[in-house]
Amino acid sequence: GAVVSQHPSRVICKSGTSVKIECRSLDFQATTMFWYRQFPKQSLMLMATSNEGSKATYEQGVEKDKFLINHASLTLSTLTVTSAHPEDSSFYICSAYKQGMNTEAFFGQGTRLTVV
Amino acid sequence: DAKTTQPPSMDCAEGRAANLPCNHSTISGNEYVYWYRQIHSQGPQYIIHGLKNNETNEMASLIITEDRKSSTLILPHATLRDTAVYYCIVRVPGGATNKLIFGTGTLLAVQP
Repeated sequence: GAVVSQHPSRVICKSGTSVKIECRSLDFQATTMFWYRQFPKQSLMLMATSNEGSKATYEQGVEKDKFLINHASLTLSTLTVTSAHPEDSSFYICSAYKQGMNTEAFFGQGTRLTVV
Repeated sequence: DAKTTQPPSMDCAEGRAANLPCNHSTISGNEYVYWYRQIHSQGPQYIIHGLKNNETNEMASLIITEDRKSSTLILPHATLRDTAVYYCIVRVPGGATNKLIFGTGTLLAVQP
């Protein structure tokens, strides 16, 4: 199966700082990637759709200025959590479809963010 | 995407078949049924999908009722490593948004 890789897998940062999470499709191209957030014992919540070469589309209630998304190439999307606060501590997961094949989504292993 | 309903949790004995139900009574004609699972602290993993015929792959079988209002994911011989949250999602492949919206899923606990 196709591989989606996230980096880092875990990160701890101080309140007020920014953190960048990378999502890479290792063996396929993806024009669209998706970012999710998951709090403990809850389901995945879609945050935004990342579109290569254009602006991301954010779900209702997600602050676009706080969660900056860049999709500069067909294999890389980044999520930057700006001015992080403890309530941003969560599990962040990205996913992608193979370009031209929208049957199954491939997910990264997730990034555990802890803001102290 | 249509809404799905799943039991919050289920137990299964190791080596036995695990049958996970899903109701999707408002599914529309062009929506497929997808199943994913999420093992603790990992990203979700695709399992199987189908439209109206039963499907089988190396991981599981998917049984869809004739009226398509419900389906069952079958893990034929559950192992401890199958303990995970299983999500049933209905969507149109290649649809305009391609978004996968996750419900609450079923926590399957495989017991030794």
